[in-house]
Amino acid sequence: NAGVTQTPKFQVLKTGQSMTLQCAQDMNHNSMYWYRQDPGMGLRLIYYSASEGTTDKGEVPNGYNVSRLNKREFSLRLESAAPSQTSVYFCASLWGQYEQYFGPGTRLTVT
Amino acid sequence: SQQGEEDPQALSIQEGENATMNCSYKTSINNLQWYRQNSGRGLVHLILIRSNEREKHSGRLRVTLDTSKKSSSLLITASRAADTASYFCAGTGNQFYFGTGTSLTVIP
Repeated sequence: NAGVTQTPKFQVLKTGQSMTLQCAQDMNHNSMYWYRQDPGMGLRLIYYSASEGTTDKGEVPNGYNVSRLNKREFSLRLESAAPSQTSVYFCASLWGQYEQYFGPGTRLTVT
Repeated sequence: SQQGEEDPQALSIQEGENATMNCSYKTSINNLQWYRQNSGRGLVHLILIRSNEREKHSGRLRVTLDTSKKSSSLLITASRAADTASYFCAGTGNQFYFGTGTSLTVIP
């Protein structure tokens, strides 16, 4: 089992550029999540998907879109990147009701 | 808005000592979890305590929960250098709400 995988690991964008962060899990989990982590802020939920075909906003959804392509994959898109979106992005999937499994993260810098 | 806060923000101890971290949260929760994050890595689930439990043990970890004070504590006994990491509490209601984390350094 690879668990939760994320691509890319690092990315540098210029303001206004777009990109998609990819996430996949091979544990047959229903729920998947996207978080961002900023210094001193902990993790903040951007979007989540309780099951294939459904997505819901979290605490900080502005500037992002998501797609739950199938049960395995949950992508996060930045349509027009801004410096405020410089962060480390984590994808997670949920085992059972409570235990989240996290990917290794994508470190994004927007200049 | 951040739903949880850990205290202290940073903690440095000698190997073999105990480390205690506290977490306070704002909303009602169904359970509270603690996660560990090694530098540059994703979070790893450590332990869960349900809202009707007051204390739980797992190996060298001891977690307490006081729902009346909306607070929890994580105790790591007999710390090791490998315990050096950031520790986050996460309350689960409709969503997961993570705290700001405690950075623990264990000096060999």
